[in-house]
Amino acid sequence: GENVEQHPSTLSVQEGDSAVIKCTYSDSASNYFPWYKQELGKRPQLIIDIRSNVGEKKDQRIAVTLNKTAKHFSLHITETQPEDSAVYFCAASRSNAGGTSYGKLTFGQGTILTVHP
Amino acid sequence: EAGVTQFPSHSVIEKGQTVTLRCDPISGHDNLYWYRRVMGKEIKFLLHFVKESKQDESGMPNNRFLAERTGGTYSTLKVQPAELEDSGVYFCASQLGSEAFFGQGTRLTVV
Repeated sequence: GENVEQHPSTLSVQEGDSAVIKCTYSDSASNYFPWYKQELGKRPQLIIDIRSNVGEKKDQRIAVTLNKTAKHFSLHITETQPEDSAVYFCAASRSNAGGTSYGKLTFGQGTILTVHP
Repeated sequence: EAGVTQFPSHSVIEKGQTVTLRCDPISGHDNLYWYRRVMGKEIKFLLHFVKESKQDESGMPNNRFLAERTGGTYSTLKVQPAELEDSGVYFCASQLGSEAFFGQGTRLTVV
């Protein structure tokens, strides 16, 4: 089955700095890679995702890159703010042949990001 | 639109007791998943329903765990009898296409 490794487990940055979290996956059939942010006591929420036919996707201060050959993908947060402090999870899943439905998510271990004012 | 809701938010029970967790998915989402996060580790898949049918229960730890989704609406996850290692946060997610929408989780503590 799929295995996702995530690093680092903790990341501490100063406000305004950039933060990068990296994940690797094992199943070459995985084709969907979401990132979830979980603030303390709240539900995991999707912040950005990328599909295997795309190498990079950006949404304001966050971006995700995907290297299918190396089977790794990364989350980049620029100009970090204290409200970015949370646990971030990467995940991987695969769709059916038609791409109409997706299966279970396999998660990385999570990264605790702390942004100091 | 109402999100995924889970009940209770917290539960503390003694070893050997029974606990039932409930998940109400987003209306119209046929796919419902249960996940668990134990002791700060990764969120792990437990099982997947498509409507009322169990599509994949390969992640269920053992036969002390029983999940149901009668009528294809809300789902329950029963742990009977609970053991110390069952402690963790149990998440439910309903899924439309590729995006999974998570509930706030139930924190289960077995003492």
